[in-house]
Amino acid sequence: GAGVSQSPSNKVTEKGKDVELRCDPISGHTALYWYRQSLGQGLEFLIYFQGNSAPDKSGLPSDRFSAERTGGSVSTLTIQRTQQEDSAVYLCASSLALEPFFGPGTRLTVL
Amino acid sequence: KNEVEQSPQNLTAQEGEFITINCSYSVGISALHWLQQHPGGGIVSLFMLSSGKKKHGRLIATINIQEKHSSLHITASHPRDSAVYICAVRSLGGGSQGNLIFGKGTKLSVKP
Repeated sequence: GAGVSQSPSNKVTEKGKDVELRCDPISGHTALYWYRQSLGQGLEFLIYFQGNSAPDKSGLPSDRFSAERTGGSVSTLTIQRTQQEDSAVYLCASSLALEPFFGPGTRLTVL
Repeated sequence: KNEVEQSPQNLTAQEGEFITINCSYSVGISALHWLQQHPGGGIVSLFMLSSGKKKHGRLIATINIQEKHSSLHITASHPRDSAVYICAVRSLGGGSQGNLIFGKGTKLSVKP
């Protein structure tokens, strides 16, 4: 079956623009996670969904970041008024029980 | 202090060497994961374990729940094993980060 997919795979944008990143989890996976990985750094937790609700938004770095999940499936991460420090790989993972399955990531470059 | 600590941060080995990467954690867990991230970014799950030992090919993962410690071993290392190895724990009973807490990773480079 299909794994976790993310789109776009690469996004180059100008400072100040808004971007939307999409994650399609594995069908039936109830948990969905967003992480950010800056160059040479470890995984930074952003937000976690269980179903459509987000019990843990503690990792969102600022109010420019928001995420939603609809139908217990697709999730979008929106970054408003992008800044250069937002440049990173944004990774999505989903899980049904304990094991996370990661998507290939979206590489965001803010010029 | 991070809840999940890995050592070493960086490791360079010669092809054929036996490699050990360590992970210590400070929270109660239901499971521990070892993940592999190759250059280019894709992350794959190598092991999920809650007790004892698991083996897959040349990779062996062990966990000691009482000591809150896990090790990942690679036997007969090969340049294709070069990657970042990440330890992640699933904390018990709720908490931050959706219960999944990551170490900062160990960057392994195996030279031919």
